[in-house]
Amino acid sequence: GENVEQHPSTLSVQEGDSAVIKCTYSDSASNYFPWYKQELGKRPQLIIDIRSNVGEKKDQRIAVTLNKTAKHFSLHITETQPEDSAVYFCAASTAGSSASKIIFGSGTRLSIRP
Amino acid sequence: NAGVTQTPKFQVLKTGQSMTLQCAQDMNHNSMYWYRQDPGMGLRLIYYSASEGTTDKGEVPNGYNVSRLNKREFSLRLESAAPSQTSVYFCATQDRDRAANEQFFGPGTRLTVL
Repeated sequence: GENVEQHPSTLSVQEGDSAVIKCTYSDSASNYFPWYKQELGKRPQLIIDIRSNVGEKKDQRIAVTLNKTAKHFSLHITETQPEDSAVYFCAASTAGSSASKIIFGSGTRLSIRP
Repeated sequence: NAGVTQTPKFQVLKTGQSMTLQCAQDMNHNSMYWYRQDPGMGLRLIYYSASEGTTDKGEVPNGYNVSRLNKREFSLRLESAAPSQTSVYFCATQDRDRAANEQFFGPGTRLTVL
C-alpha cells in the first residue's frame, strides 16, 4: 500500500523568511496530493492540493510542487507570518477510485520566530 | 449547517470497557472516514465507508469496529479498550459524487484509556 514520508518533523523559521516541507510517496498510482494545516487543538483543514497532471500550484503565499518521476512533492510558504505556526500534513491518494483513501505523512510542526 | 460533528468531545475509559464514538454529517457526502492521531504519527486511517452500507479496513483496524448506520452517521466502536488506544479520533467526510477529494474533518474526540 501507499507510504508517505514527511520531513522535517519540526521547523523553525524567522518571520518573513520562507519555509519548505518535503514529502515522498511510494505508490506510483497516487494522483492527488493535498496539504492540511492543523492549529493547536483544532481539526485539520485543507490549505492546498495538487493533481498529478500539474507540476506546480500557487495560492498567494503558498505553493506546492510535484515531481512524479521522483515521487516527491513539497510545500513552500513565503513571507511567513505568526499565524502560519501550526502542524502541516502532506498526503497522497488515488483520486477517482471508489473511495479516495488518503494516506497522511507524520506531520511537520512549523514555528515562526518573531 | 453543522458540517461534521462528533460526540463525545472527551472520554476516559478503564482498560476493558467498551464505548462507541459517534460521527454525523449534514453535508450529504457519500464517503466517511475514521482516523486516529497520535503524537508524531500523523493521521492514521482506521476504517472508511465509501457509501451507505459499505465499510472497509484502513491502516490500523485492529481493536475497532464500525457501523455506517445511514448516509449521515458513521460510528466507531471499541469493544474492549486498551491503553494503546489512547488517542485523538477524527471523523472525516468526502463528496465522492462530485469527484472532489477534499476531506472535511470533525472536531475530534480525545480518548484516554487507563
